[in-house]
Amino acid sequence: DGGITQSPKYLFRKEGQNVTLSCEQNLNHDAMYWYRQDPGQGLRLIYYSQIVNDFQKGDIAEGYSVSREKKESFPLTVTSAQKNPTAFYLCASETRLTNYGYTFGSGTRLTVV
Amino acid sequence: GIQVEQSPPDLILQEGANSTLRCNFSDSVNNLQWFHQNPWGQLINLFYIPSGTKQNGRLSATTVATERYSLLYISSSQTTDSGVYFCAVAIQGAQKLVFGQGTRLTINP
Repeated sequence: DGGITQSPKYLFRKEGQNVTLSCEQNLNHDAMYWYRQDPGQGLRLIYYSQIVNDFQKGDIAEGYSVSREKKESFPLTVTSAQKNPTAFYLCASETRLTNYGYTFGSGTRLTVV
Repeated sequence: GIQVEQSPPDLILQEGANSTLRCNFSDSVNNLQWFHQNPWGQLINLFYIPSGTKQNGRLSATTVATERYSLLYISSSQTTDSGVYFCAVAIQGAQKLVFGQGTRLTINP
């Protein structure tokens, strides 16, 4: 079955560490997105990519980095510069060839310890 | 940027009741989607509906683009309908969705 896989489901980070969240899709979608969700809040866009080797900053990109070397993969690195990284991170993908809309992964819960 | 307001913020109903969730947005949009987030955090796309009306089983949605609002109707609610419902929009030429704060729906048995 096609879908988006995020890993790990839970991640613990020590102060000062960089961590990378994985997002892989086998839907052949061109566009991929990373969102952050804080408790009781909506989703805020971190980074997005419309095609391979190209990506744009979203509304809260500071302290994060991404790469898009393959169509299927869009990993997110949370760097030590992100002062409040504890949150739920969601990856999504989309194709403009249909009007179905976004497909989301199941998310990664990141906690700073 | 575009503002997205959802109402009500919280809604508690008994099983079998009907409900209407509203999404107001501050600019013309060419993309509007409704999502359901279950208690485990998974977001499911319910509708892609920048204008018009769509139905899928007990759920239906209507977007009146000229008046900048969308409505999500849930009929004969079930406990599995509980969760948070998000509306998200994108303006013409923008590639990214902006999310509202969500409506938390609780269906009691």
